[in-house]
Amino acid sequence: DVKVTQSSRYLVKRTGEKVFLECVQDMDHENMFWYRQDPGLGLRLIYFSYDVKMKEKGDIPEGYSVSREKKERFSLILESASTNQTSMYLCASSFPTENNSPLHFGNGTRLTVT
Amino acid sequence: TQLLEQSPQFLSIQEGENLTVYCNSSSVFSSLQWYRQEPGEGPVLLVTVVTGGEVKKLKRLTFQFGDARKDSSLHITAAQPGDTGLYLCAGANDKIIFGKGTRLHILP
Repeated sequence: DVKVTQSSRYLVKRTGEKVFLECVQDMDHENMFWYRQDPGLGLRLIYFSYDVKMKEKGDIPEGYSVSREKKERFSLILESASTNQTSMYLCASSFPTENNSPLHFGNGTRLTVT
Repeated sequence: TQLLEQSPQFLSIQEGENLTVYCNSSSVFSSLQWYRQEPGEGPVLLVTVVTGGEVKKLKRLTFQFGDARKDSSLHITAAQPGDTGLYLCAGANDKIIFGKGTRLHILP
């Protein structure tokens, strides 16, 4: 079974802190994604990566950056956390999308910024 | 901009009843995926439909992809409390687009 592991289930950070959310997958997937999920807004794509050291902006990249130094690891960085970044963050991985490959999600990190 | 509209947003029904949730778009997708998400967990794939008009069954769940590959439906027969969760459809082309989901609650 594919396993996507997010380093923390719950995080509480203060406004202005730098926050790192880590995600590791064990299936040698090329693609990795970061989403945030908010009530009434669904899943929104923040950043994605199709290869090591490659990154692309999703629909809502403002206030975030990412790092993919190794194929299995995709990190989401909040440079200066703000209260409007309180959310559930979901990492996912997949084989190339043109193969109709599904996304495999981690169990999420619920981040609260106070 | 590709959009996927899911309806209804919320559905609460009694155990044993049947239900259908819908996923509609004006865009054509090469495939459509359905996921279920339970509280505190990430979404998990239920099925992928690829061919227009395709019907797939997963026990009491029946998934249909529209002939024009723009819409899909999920029908649950004799709903059980274990079916409770958030159902998400996702259309795939060069990237994957998610609907906002249908939150289903089955009352025992």
